[in-house]
Amino acid sequence: EPEVTQTPSHQVTQMGQEVILRCVPISNHLYFYWYRQILGQKVEFLVSFYNNEISEKSEIFDDQFSVERPDGSNFTLKIRSTKLEDSAMYFCASSAGTGPSGANVLTFGAGSRLTVL
Amino acid sequence: GNSVTQMEGPVTLSEEAFLTINCTYTATGYPSLFWYVQYPGEGLQLLLKATKADDKGSNKGFEATYRKETTSFHLEKGSVQVSDSAVYFCALKGDTGRRALTFGSGTRLQVQP
Repeated sequence: EPEVTQTPSHQVTQMGQEVILRCVPISNHLYFYWYRQILGQKVEFLVSFYNNEISEKSEIFDDQFSVERPDGSNFTLKIRSTKLEDSAMYFCASSAGTGPSGANVLTFGAGSRLTVL
Repeated sequence: GNSVTQMEGPVTLSEEAFLTINCTYTATGYPSLFWYVQYPGEGLQLLLKATKADDKGSNKGFEATYRKETTSFHLEKGSVQVSDSAVYFCALKGDTGRRALTFGSGTRLQVQP
């Protein structure tokens, strides 16, 4: 079964450093997403990406964050200057679009745990 | 805005016990509702979904019915197994055209043999 793969599974970084989290979505999917979950809290939407541009973003997704699809297969999340509060599990997801029932079914990766010291 | 509230965990049950995980939501219009499951070390997997009122989603013995009158989508299973131990997330997608899902905080289920 097709899957979304994320790397690294765990990254430890110093505050102020740049971090890039990588994702390989399912190959025929058109919509890509990043979510995050701070330990013990809700899974929060960060950003969605379609047709090589951001289609939606939340208030969490400020100027410290950026996304790109550099080569048609990878989908990356960059945090320019990490803060302690960026420590979280980051989930990538992709979807084909609107399914036959009208619901948008997302396939998620296993997550990348980011620890900022 | 949209929101999802789940019962807090962990929920600890013995094998073959009946499971209910409560989920209520706040949204305008007619959202689509989902349950996702996360097994240890894995990503979020879609467990079941319902797209309109009174729909019942079901998969792997789990069921949830979309109740618009009570704005609920409680997850149930008649007889849990140790292999059902995981974190369960309730989520909704609004009907405004936005594709982003709104998740609950997740409920950890531990099933003991």
